[in-house]
Amino acid sequence: EVQLVQSGAEVKKPGESLRISCKTSGYYFTSYWISWVRQMPGKGLEWMAMIDPTDSYTKYSPSFQGHVTISADKSISTAYLQWSSLKASDTAMYYCGRYYDSSGHIYPWGQGTLVTVSS
Amino acid sequence: NFMLTQPHSVSESPGKTVTISCTRSSGSIASNYVQWYQQRPGSAPTTVIFEDNQRLSGVPDRFSGSIDSSSNSASLTISGLKTEDEADYYCQSYDTNIGVFGGGTKLTV
Repeated sequence: EVQLVQSGAEVKKPGESLRISCKTSGYYFTSYWISWVRQMPGKGLEWMAMIDPTDSYTKYSPSFQGHVTISADKSISTAYLQWSSLKASDTAMYYCGRYYDSSGHIYPWGQGTLVTVSS
Repeated sequence: NFMLTQPHSVSESPGKTVTISCTRSSGSIASNYVQWYQQRPGSAPTTVIFEDNQRLSGVPDRFSGSIDSSSNSASLTISGLKTEDEADYYCQSYDTNIGVFGGGTKLTV
């Protein structure tokens, strides 16, 4: 069974750094891109970025370029999303998902990681 | 890049049929596949339709997807509505491997 299991909820202060993870299992990690999606409280889904675990080639949505960094570790089939300096506006649920580059489809999704940034 | 526009909300009675539209702002809707995701409160999104009109295994055949080049839009149709269909629905497509989501439609049954 293909699974993407994300790390637990985080509460951080503005200016702090953070890395959340997305551990995959049940398939060859390097066979599919991993995408990251943000959902701010009460709002819709926003495409953030995606990574090819084969060579860590990344693509970022212009809205998120420079604000977050994604990475992947093939040895442990895990993808990461990180911030160097969090802002209150980063408070959101973050989802990872396996991405089919032939169709643009995300399946399956991780369960989500809630990030709360508050002083 | 393009945008995908969905109605903010739709409402229909149990047993009826509802159609949710997703209009692409520029470029052809047929250029890239469209997916539809269902999201219930407190849960991650799940696929109901992928590649324009393919149902994921386990999704009831009450759900169907289509695209219309004349209106440059995609549609999700749900027939025989059940109260369990009440959720947010998002269309999604992509361009040069960057995904685009519609704003989401809240379906009330």
